[in-house]
Amino acid sequence: GENVEQHPSTLSVQEGDSAVIKCTYSDSASNYFPWYKQELGKRPQLIIDIRSNVGEKKDQRIAVTLNKTAKHFSLHITETQPEDSAVYFCAASIDGTASKLTFGTGTRLQVTL
Amino acid sequence: SAVISQKPSRDICQRGTSLTIQCQVDSQVTMMFWYRQQPGQSLTLIATANQGSEATYESGFVIDKFPISRPNLTFSTLTVSNMSPEDSSIYLCSVEALQEGYGYTFGSGTRLTVV
Repeated sequence: GENVEQHPSTLSVQEGDSAVIKCTYSDSASNYFPWYKQELGKRPQLIIDIRSNVGEKKDQRIAVTLNKTAKHFSLHITETQPEDSAVYFCAASIDGTASKLTFGTGTRLQVTL
Repeated sequence: SAVISQKPSRDICQRGTSLTIQCQVDSQVTMMFWYRQQPGQSLTLIATANQGSEATYESGFVIDKFPISRPNLTFSTLTVSNMSPEDSSIYLCSVEALQEGYGYTFGSGTRLTVV
């Protein structure tokens, strides 16, 4: 089955700096890659996703890049703010088949003032 | 995106008892997924709930421990049976949103503590 690795496990950045979280996946059939943000005590919330037919997607301060050949994808957050502090999870699935999501181990992002 | 109502939001249960968690979706969905999130950990898929057929369980999870019902396309239940303290966790249901680009949506979760 699919295996998703995520790095780093913790990340501390100063407000205004950029943060990058990286994930690799094992199943070359995976073609849907969402990113979730989970604040303490809350449900995971989808913040951005990318499908294998594109290499990059942006939504304001958040961007995701995908390298299908290398089987890795990354989350980029620019101009970080304290409210970006949370745990971020990457995931992978085979889209269009109502397939299950396989999650990475999570990255705890701390944005300091 | 789909809206999921999950209950209870939390419960404290005695070991050896069972708890049934419910998820109601505001639209019809083909599959519903049940996840477990242990404290400080990632999400692990327990099973996929199919309407009209048996649920599909992931490795390490069995039907006797986590029976699932899926009576229609908008509702599912997960029961945690014969609980032990190791079952203390957050349990979440999830669905694949029907609209393009909305991904998967999660319920608000059930925080279970077994004492």
